[in-house]
Amino acid sequence: NAGVTQTPKFRVLKTGQSMTLLCAQDMNHEYMYWYRQDPGMGLRLIHYSVGEGTTAKGEVPDGYNVSRLKKQNFLLGLESAAPSQTSVYFCASSYSSQISNQPQHFGDGTRLSIL
Amino acid sequence: GNSVTQMEGPVTLSEEAFLTINCTYTATGYPSLFWYVQYPGEGLQLLLKATKADDKGSNKGFEATYRKETTSFHLEKGSVQVSDSAVYFCALRTEAGTALIFGKGTTLSVSS
Repeated sequence: NAGVTQTPKFRVLKTGQSMTLLCAQDMNHEYMYWYRQDPGMGLRLIHYSVGEGTTAKGEVPDGYNVSRLKKQNFLLGLESAAPSQTSVYFCASSYSSQISNQPQHFGDGTRLSIL
Repeated sequence: GNSVTQMEGPVTLSEEAFLTINCTYTATGYPSLFWYVQYPGEGLQLLLKATKADDKGSNKGFEATYRKETTSFHLEKGSVQVSDSAVYFCALRTEAGTALIFGKGTTLSVSS
């Protein structure tokens, strides 16, 4: 049972480079999320999606773009990486949050360093 | 706005000690409350949840009770083990919300 799978697990980029983080879930969840985790900051929501073909901004969306072309996949893109984007990125998914008690299921994270 | 406040860590305990990690929240209406645990190098895992006032969530010896009157959801365990060493996150989701709102996390270190 794979759950939520993130690729890659580690990446080092130079300032200005671009890359895409991939998240895949096999639980047929409607909702998917991208968070970043920084020391002393907890998890902060970057973007989320409530269904295939939809995306919305979270708390810290600047510098990131996302796409949800297929229900099972949610891509996070950095067009021009900056050192401030050095972080651990987590993808999560859940059933519809119209039922607020639905938990989110998390991937193992992507550790991204921008030099 | 909606927010979650956790006690700052790190919390350092000896094996078999009693654990309390405080969590208070600010939210409109009746949010659902969660505790997640993150072991080193891993993602977050749901530990327990409670969806209405006076509900008690429990799992793996951990418990937390949804206290509407004090807007709290404190995590407790009667006897911690070394394997409980991790970062613990309190979180809420409001009735109208989409994503979780997390506290900053509390690091627990248990020594034998």
